[in-house]
Amino acid sequence: RKEVEQDPGPFNVPEGATVAFNCTYSNSASQSFFWYRQDCRKEPKLLMSVYSSGNEDGRFTAQLNRASQYISLLIRDSKLSDSATYLCVVNMRNFGNEKLTFGTGTRLTIIP
Amino acid sequence: DTAVSQTPKYLVTQMGNDKSIKCEQNLGHDTMYWYKQDSKKFLKIMFSYNNKELIINETVPNRFSPKSPDKAHLNLHINSLELGDSAVYFCASSPPGQGVPPLHFGNGTRLTVT
Repeated sequence: RKEVEQDPGPFNVPEGATVAFNCTYSNSASQSFFWYRQDCRKEPKLLMSVYSSGNEDGRFTAQLNRASQYISLLIRDSKLSDSATYLCVVNMRNFGNEKLTFGTGTRLTIIP
Repeated sequence: DTAVSQTPKYLVTQMGNDKSIKCEQNLGHDTMYWYKQDSKKFLKIMFSYNNKELIINETVPNRFSPKSPDKAHLNLHINSLELGDSAVYFCASSPPGQGVPPLHFGNGTRLTVT
């Protein structure tokens, strides 16, 4: 089983719709969780951290389910500019060092 | 005023050559990284340095040798390049602090080995 697993998509969603995708992780000792966004041929950028209680940032909501070992990202009222690849990132402590493990990403295209 | 800058942006070279990629950050961060993103878009850590000291060295062939002359620079030298080394290499940095601070990535070096 991969350490961090995501549905690669692509998800093609009409503008204004709500879209959600999940990410599962294998290491139950994982401690921190993030969503990064990567535009085509660009570098990844932090979108938001994911807190145990769930958190919201504008149209974006992230949730963590430790029991089932998955995190989710919900995008409401999607915009054309939301088209990107969304990378699920999990922090694992490895021999005292923090190591961020990236999923392969979920590709989202918002259609006008 | 680029925060994390890498050079070159594109690198095309033949098998067997030796090449270097340079990375500099002006954010005052203590930790720097090299990541490799392959053709399937899988982003995998290669190395991590904290204040010029190596702290993470994933299973990377020893043809890859990072060098950190100071905490603002982390260069990557690759010997005897192979076809499978073709990928996008991202440098990143992160600030000190408790927990896991966000990574700030450079804009990547697209390496093509022919």
